Amino acid sequence: EVQLLESGGGLVQPGGSLRLSCAASGFTFSNWAMAWVRQAPGEGLEWVSSISESGSPYYIDSVKGRFTISRDNSKNTLHLQLNSLRAEDTAVYYCARGLRGEYDYWGPGTLVTVSS
Amino acid sequence: QSALTQPPSASGSPGQSVTISCTGTSSDVGGYDYVSWYQQHPGKAPKLMIYGVNKRPSGVPDRFAGSKSGNTASLTVSGLQAEDEADYYCSSHAGSKNLFGGGTKLTVL
Repeated sequence: EVQLLESGGGLVQPGGSLRLSCAASGFTFSNWAMAWVRQAPGEGLEWVSSISESGSPYYIDSVKGRFTISRDNSKNTLHLQLNSLRAEDTAVYYCARGLRGEYDYWGPGTLVTVSS
Repeated sequence: QSALTQPPSASGSPGQSVTISCTGTSSDVGGYDYVSWYQQHPGKAPKLMIYGVNKRPSGVPDRFAGSKSGNTASLTVSGLQAEDEADYYCSSHAGSKNLFGGGTKLTVL
């Protein structure tokens, strides 16, 4: 059974940093592109970043230079390093499996709150 | 790049059909056959309902159908059931990015 489980969310002050992780199981992690999608409270979904099977990263313009996506295939884990956080980054961050906007499995999400 | 455009709400009675549109541009919906649709119930993670414009993942009822014409994709839900009441989001590949629609709240009357 495919499972994705995010961790690392929490309350952080503006300008602060967090590292999100997504533990994957039930499939050959190294064979799949992965993504982070976020949802601000009461708002819609927003694609944030993707990483290909070979490790090529892609980002939405608003997080370029602040967020870094990475993967550790030896530990079946996806990461998202969030730096220089802003209030508008407050959201539930979902880890998802797939490519080109087609995500067949999602984790339950982890909440990131940016507030002083 | 702006989100794809969806109507904020849609509704139908049990057994009826409803269609939700998703309008983009030639750089996203019109340019790729990577259009997908997601169902999200309150407090839950999204669920993939349609991918590749009109393909259904295993386990998704055939009451859900996707299509595309030009820059507009559509999701049709036939034989509406109470459990179909949820938010629905379209998504499209757009080169080095991926876009979501603003979401449509489907109400089963």
